[in-house]
Amino acid sequence: AQSVAQPEDQVNVAEGNPLTVKCTYSVSGNPYLFWYVQYPNRGLQFLLKYITGDNLVKGSYGFEAEFNKSQTSFHLKKPSALVSDSALYFCAVRPYSSASKIIFGSGTRLSIRP
Amino acid sequence: EAGVAQSPRYKIIEKRQSVAFWCNPISGHATLYWYQQILGQGPKLLIQFQNNGVVDDSQLPKDRFSAERLKGVDSTLKIQPAKLEDSAVYLCASSLASGGTRRSTDTQYFGPGTRLTVL
Repeated sequence: AQSVAQPEDQVNVAEGNPLTVKCTYSVSGNPYLFWYVQYPNRGLQFLLKYITGDNLVKGSYGFEAEFNKSQTSFHLKKPSALVSDSALYFCAVRPYSSASKIIFGSGTRLSIRP
Repeated sequence: EAGVAQSPRYKIIEKRQSVAFWCNPISGHATLYWYQQILGQGPKLLIQFQNNGVVDDSQLPKDRFSAERLKGVDSTLKIQPAKLEDSAVYLCASSLASGGTRRSTDTQYFGPGTRLTVL
């Protein structure tokens, strides 16, 4: 079955420290990968996506993600966390077999302490 | 550019009642999606429209859920009758993807969602 996993329900980081939110996928073929962020009582906001090319993708709000084909991972990173980064983060994948459908992970709650 | 609009933002109903949600996608977006997001879970696709046609409704509980996009623009999602387990946030999203079987590189853009509570 095609799926995406976010192994950590919650990640806690001190402000100013680097952060990583993990994502692994299990799909056939080359995946298209996405990261979204959800603030309380808001819809999902698009952060970045990997389609092809450079494995390091830069997105909104200083976030970046690295595609690693051998480890089937697409971890989200930021060099210096802000308190305002505290939110729910979702990884998603569009399998090779899908025209436009995407499959979401279960989400990781990121908490940045001052 | 205006984003995806949804209404209402919140709805509280009793079980066995009916409810309807409305979505207006980003102008020019051919594809519209309805998702259900239960607390603590990622969004789950309920139905996908390409213009006014249904592309995927495999996870839509058709005995109680229905959706339409008659003019290929805005859409409504209805639940009748509602059950306790329907309590969730219902998200609408849209993308440019104009059809075909080739995999799209498009991004889906989401509305603010409707939080439904069934008592």
